[in-house]
Amino acid sequence: AQKITQTQPGMFVQEKEAVTLDCTYDTSDPSYGLFWYKQPSSGEMIFLIYQGSYDQQNATEGRYSLNFQKARKSANLVISASQLGDSAMYFCAMRVPSGGYNKLIFGAGTRLAVHP
Amino acid sequence: DSGVTQTPKHLITATGQRVTLRCSPRSGDLSVYWYQQSLDQGLQFLIQYYNGEERAKGNILERFSAQQFPDLHSELNLSSLELGDSALYFCASSPREGLAGEQLYNEQFFGPGTRLTVL
Repeated sequence: AQKITQTQPGMFVQEKEAVTLDCTYDTSDPSYGLFWYKQPSSGEMIFLIYQGSYDQQNATEGRYSLNFQKARKSANLVISASQLGDSAMYFCAMRVPSGGYNKLIFGAGTRLAVHP
Repeated sequence: DSGVTQTPKHLITATGQRVTLRCSPRSGDLSVYWYQQSLDQGLQFLIQYYNGEERAKGNILERFSAQQFPDLHSELNLSSLELGDSALYFCASSPREGLAGEQLYNEQFFGPGTRLTVL
């Protein structure tokens, strides 16, 4: 079954420190995409970073990097130098083919709190 | 700002009622996706339209329906509302049809959401 698992309901980090948010996935399809989204308290979904299943290198976008370990089926998000504005819900998602079309499935999310 | 607009931002209604949520995609995007985010079910894909036609279907209840109009805006209709329908409803737009086998990359841009409260 296609599934995304985020095992950390909540995480705390000190400002300026790095934090890793865990994500594991399950799919038998060789072609898939992995995404991380940020949802602040205002509710909007903000795209952070994308990793394709065939990408050889880990994706990076500014302070965000994705630690992609294909054999372990994990796609952890690393936020370096945390800022107070990073406090939000973070969702890992996977885009996989389903019924002829690509489908986006989400994990349950991790709430990150950044402390000064 | 993703360029996707959703109206209304908030909606409060009573059980048994019917509501319509509206989404305008980014200029040039042909696909519209609808998602529901509820406390108990998390974020779930509901349905996708591409250039006016239904494409993919997810966990959408029979009480819910959607359509995409010639100007590419989309509406999600929710009827016989129940307390459990209270949720944040997102639409996302994409320039692509989303066919399986298409090269996958980030192509869905989310709107700000409509928060529906059923009392």
